[in-house]
Amino acid sequence: AQTVTQSQPEMSVQEAETVTLSCTYDTSENNYYLFWYKQPPSRQMILVIRQEAYKQQNATENRFSVNFQKAAKSFSLKISDSQLGDTAMYFCAFYNTNAGKSTFGDGTTLTVKP
Amino acid sequence: NAGVMQNPRHLVRRRGQEARLRCSPVKGHSHVYWYRQLPEEGLKFMVYLQKENIIDESGMPKERFSAEFPKEGPSILRIQQVVRGDSAAYFCASSPDRQFTPLHFGNGTRLTVT
Repeated sequence: AQTVTQSQPEMSVQEAETVTLSCTYDTSENNYYLFWYKQPPSRQMILVIRQEAYKQQNATENRFSVNFQKAAKSFSLKISDSQLGDTAMYFCAFYNTNAGKSTFGDGTTLTVKP
Repeated sequence: NAGVMQNPRHLVRRRGQEARLRCSPVKGHSHVYWYRQLPEEGLKFMVYLQKENIIDESGMPKERFSAEFPKEGPSILRIQQVVRGDSAAYFCASSPDRQFTPLHFGNGTRLTVT
């Protein structure tokens, strides 16, 4: 079974600054994907970024980037130039392609302060 | 293209009543997943269905909960004789096949048991 751990229940950052959210996972699988989802107060689940396990290059989407350390089973999310609209709960998720299902961490509540 | 549609958005039930949550996947998607989110927690996998078949129900409580995804119509998550502990947000997600990522999420149904 896979587990996903987000060790930071809450974080805050000043607008325009950079923040890093941590995520570690445990699996014996080789073929998997990792995701970060954002859940604003509207409760909608919004995909932020995706990383294929077989790719060594870290994924980047505009102000969002990841630090994927496969050997350490670490998948942190860096948000640069934080904006007020980034305030949300962020979930790290592991997708097992063999089982066809995702396992989510318990989330990190991020508050961006003006 | 319409995304994953869940209804109702909010559902209030008294203890002992039945709750029926509906999920219409993205058109053409034959794989549906149900997740439950308790307050201040992450999403917990409940069940994975593919048209007319339950593929993985390892996250479903053994009693009172059932799910179906008929050949025609939406997927239904049914909770019989609801209790207060069933109060949560229930999310549905879909994909065209188990190798496809990421999942497309609906906006969830918030169930409140009074």
